[in-house]
Amino acid sequence: AQRVTQPEKLLSVFKGAPVELKCNYSYSGSPELFWYVQYSRQRLQLLLRHISRESIKGFTADLNKGETSFHLKKPFAQEEDSAMYYCALKGGGNKLTFGTGTQLKVEL
Amino acid sequence: GAVVSQHPSWVICKSGTSVKIECRSLDFQATTMFWYRQFPKQSLMLMATSNEGSKATYEQGVEKDKFLINHASLTLSTLTVTSAHPEDSSFYICSATTSGGAFRPDTQYFGPGTRLTVL
Repeated sequence: AQRVTQPEKLLSVFKGAPVELKCNYSYSGSPELFWYVQYSRQRLQLLLRHISRESIKGFTADLNKGETSFHLKKPFAQEEDSAMYYCALKGGGNKLTFGTGTQLKVEL
Repeated sequence: GAVVSQHPSWVICKSGTSVKIECRSLDFQATTMFWYRQFPKQSLMLMATSNEGSKATYEQGVEKDKFLINHASLTLSTLTVTSAHPEDSSFYICSATTSGGAFRPDTQYFGPGTRLTVL
């Protein structure tokens, strides 16, 4: 069975501080991991995927197979980063398994 | 681009009635659509996967006779909650993927969700 764990329901940081949203996964196959973001009153949207090795809005995430983690990081938080962040694992048939989400709150 | 719409955005119904929720891909052909439900402060749980022209595949524990899914065209999938009860009240979200074209084939594009309240 595949599982995604996001241990923090809420993460509060000050503007300009570094951000790390934790994500751990459990999957027997070769994992494909994603981060999705949901801004207030908006739909879920893809932020980034591990295979692209991209940086989106200053966020990066590295897949660590040894630690089965895919933490989302940003060196300097901005107020507009406040949102709900979901880590997701793609299994067979393009199905996504989501973590429970972490609410990021960036305070001034 | 890659816009998915849902209708209605919210619905209130009486217990025992049926409710239909539509999911449309507006600017691409959706070869596969997914239906999720999300309870307050919880994660999205996949209910079923539907491919155009074939029967939906339901996740374990999801009653296929209660949650009827139809994917009759490449741009429309419907979820009908039959004989709804208060415990069916939830936020229902669809997503769609395409096999190619202008948009990434392995990305799920999400609709805005439908809030169902059963009285």
